[in-house]
Amino acid sequence: DAKTTQPNSMESNEEEPVHLPCNHSTISGTDYIHWYRQLPSQGPEYVIHGLTSNVNNRMASLAIAEDRKSSTLILHRATLRDAAVYYCILRDRVQGAQKLVFGQGTRLTINP
Amino acid sequence: DGGITQSPKYLFRKEGQNVTLSCEQNLNHDAMYWYRQDPGQGLRLIYYSQIVNDFQKGDIAEGYSVSREKKESFPLTVTSAQKNPTAFYLCASSHREGNSPLHFGNGTRLTVT
Repeated sequence: DAKTTQPNSMESNEEEPVHLPCNHSTISGTDYIHWYRQLPSQGPEYVIHGLTSNVNNRMASLAIAEDRKSSTLILHRATLRDAAVYYCILRDRVQGAQKLVFGQGTRLTINP
Repeated sequence: DGGITQSPKYLFRKEGQNVTLSCEQNLNHDAMYWYRQDPGQGLRLIYYSQIVNDFQKGDIAEGYSVSREKKESFPLTVTSAQKNPTAFYLCASSHREGNSPLHFGNGTRLTVT
């Protein structure tokens, strides 16, 4: 199973950009990179995903390294509501349902 | 509205009893998953299914059982053989393609005393 590595915690200030890193050195050519976030006592929610190119949506941006061994989730202007645990996972493009492994994630704290 | 529903939100059981957690989705997703989360920890995969009448063990399947008789439903039974059943249980579903996001339910918090 392809693994991802994230820092246990990060802290930022409200209205500042946040860059959340994820290492996935064993990524295969058919793996999509997915990001989810989880608020306390709730199920995770989808944030963004990408394959090779950088991606933007209304929630965040995803920057993918050229060798695809790492990626960064970018929150352009953090709010208190962005305080959550963020998970980066890999999902194979062709294998259908598979063992999707979530690590410990990064606990993001936003200071007012 | 389409979505994935877990019930109940809170469940209390005595040790030695089996208990079944419900997970229903109306998103027409083929794939469904069960995860367990302990306080301050990440998600650990219990079972997953990519199609009706088929399911596979995840990393911590011991003491759990599932069934997938209908596309919409993927119930999880926590048996008395599970040594530490108290946890937060999360169900998810998705299309099978790798670019398909997972949709999670809001979880069931099981307490066994």
